[in-house]
Amino acid sequence: GDSVTQMEGPVTLSEEAFLTINCTYTATGYPSLFWYVQYPGEGLQLLLKATKADDKGSNKGFEATYRKETTSFHLEKGSVQVSDSAVYFCALRGNSGGSNYKLTFGKGTLLTVNP
Amino acid sequence: KAGVTQTPRYLIKTRGQQVTLSCSPISGHRSVSWYQQTPGQGLQFLFEYFSETQRNKGNFPGRFSGRQFSNSRSEMNVSTLELGDSALYLCASTPSGGGGEKLFFGSGTQLSVL
Repeated sequence: GDSVTQMEGPVTLSEEAFLTINCTYTATGYPSLFWYVQYPGEGLQLLLKATKADDKGSNKGFEATYRKETTSFHLEKGSVQVSDSAVYFCALRGNSGGSNYKLTFGKGTLLTVNP
Repeated sequence: KAGVTQTPRYLIKTRGQQVTLSCSPISGHRSVSWYQQTPGQGLQFLFEYFSETQRNKGNFPGRFSGRQFSNSRSEMNVSTLELGDSALYLCASTPSGGGGEKLFFGSGTQLSVL
């Protein structure tokens, strides 16, 4: 079945540091890939997405590129801020019919950014 | 436009009891999905409803059930609660015909089973 593996946290960075959170996936066919972010006490919010190979999703300074050859979708940001502190989830939506509305999530990576 | 609303926000139950959680999707959204979030397992898909019909179900025991009403509001029920059911239960809605790519999540119901 589908699965997502993302780097274990927690990740602690200083403000303006470079961020990478690794994510790899296993899926049949051509899944869509997502990064969701969860701030304390809130539900998940879509951060960015990519629906086909070589697509780059971007939002709020975050980027991720859909790499089919390495089955990866690593999240990057050039300069993190304290307000980026949150839990980040990598997810995929398979295209194996009947599961359009089901996402498979990684376990999440807690990011803490210190001033 | 109001977001996805889940009630109650917190719930404390004892083993063996049953519980019902409620979710009101964004107006106009017809698909509602439920996820269980725990520190150990992360986010796991429970089920998804569209137009009052369950379209997809995750690998949870039959104690977990749900339903959707004609106004798209959804409820999930857990019977004979176990300690391991303690989790944050998240509901998400999707626009009609939106391809299912963007889920809008509620803030969740934190269930504690004692």
